[in-house]
Amino acid sequence: EDQVTQSPEALRLQEGESSSLNCSYTVSGLRGLFWYRQDPGKGPEFLFTLYSAGEEKEKERLKATLTKKESFLHITAPKPEDSATYLCAVQAGGGTSYGKLTFGQGTILTVHP
Amino acid sequence: GAVVSQHPSWVICKSGTSVKIECRSLDFQATTMFWYRQFPKQSLMLMATSNEGSKATYEQGVEKDKFLINHASLTLSTLTVTSAHPEDSSFYICSASPRGGYTFGSGTRLTVV
Repeated sequence: EDQVTQSPEALRLQEGESSSLNCSYTVSGLRGLFWYRQDPGKGPEFLFTLYSAGEEKEKERLKATLTKKESFLHITAPKPEDSATYLCAVQAGGGTSYGKLTFGQGTILTVHP
Repeated sequence: GAVVSQHPSWVICKSGTSVKIECRSLDFQATTMFWYRQFPKQSLMLMATSNEGSKATYEQGVEKDKFLINHASLTLSTLTVTSAHPEDSSFYICSASPRGGYTFGSGTRLTVV
C-alpha cells in the first residue's frame, strides 16, 4: 500500500527564517511526486512535480528536491504570504493504483512578520 | 492553464436531502475525474474515480449508493450525496489530469444540519 508521511505537522517561522518540510514515501513504482499549497477553504494549488531521484525544481522562494525515499520542500526567506498547508502526494506507476494520488497529512506553515 | 470549475462553493442542507456538486473542465477534456473528501485538519482522501461514459470506481469503504457519480461528458462530472447526514459534512474536491499534471477544483464545503 502506498504511504506518504509529512513532517513536521506544523511549523512556525519568523519572516526570513529559512526551513525545510519533509515528505517520506513508500510506493510501488513512483510515477511522480507532487507538491501542492492549500489555503483554508480552497482546493490545492500546484507547485511542483518531481519524477526521479536527484531532480530539483525551484519557484520563487521554494525549492523541491527528491530522493528515492523522500522529498524536501525548502523555503528560503519566507514571507507571511507563504503561510498555508503544504501537501505532498505520490502517484504510483501501475496496478490498481495507476493514476491515483496518495496524499500526506500536510504541514501547516505559519510565517510571522 | 488548465482550470477545473467546481460549484457550489458551499452548501447547507437538511438531513435526509440530496446535494449535487458539479465539476467542469473549462479548457480541456477530462476523460477522468477524481473525487476527494477532506475532513478538518486532515488530508485529501480519494473517494472515487469517474471515467466519461462508464461507471465510477469507488475506493474501499465508500458507499456507492450514497455518493453517486455521473461523468456524462468530457467536460462535466457530478457528485450527488444522497440522503445526506451530519457525518457527511466535509470538504469535497474534484480533480482532473490534463497533460499529466493534476488540477483541482476550488472545493465544496457541505454542511448537513
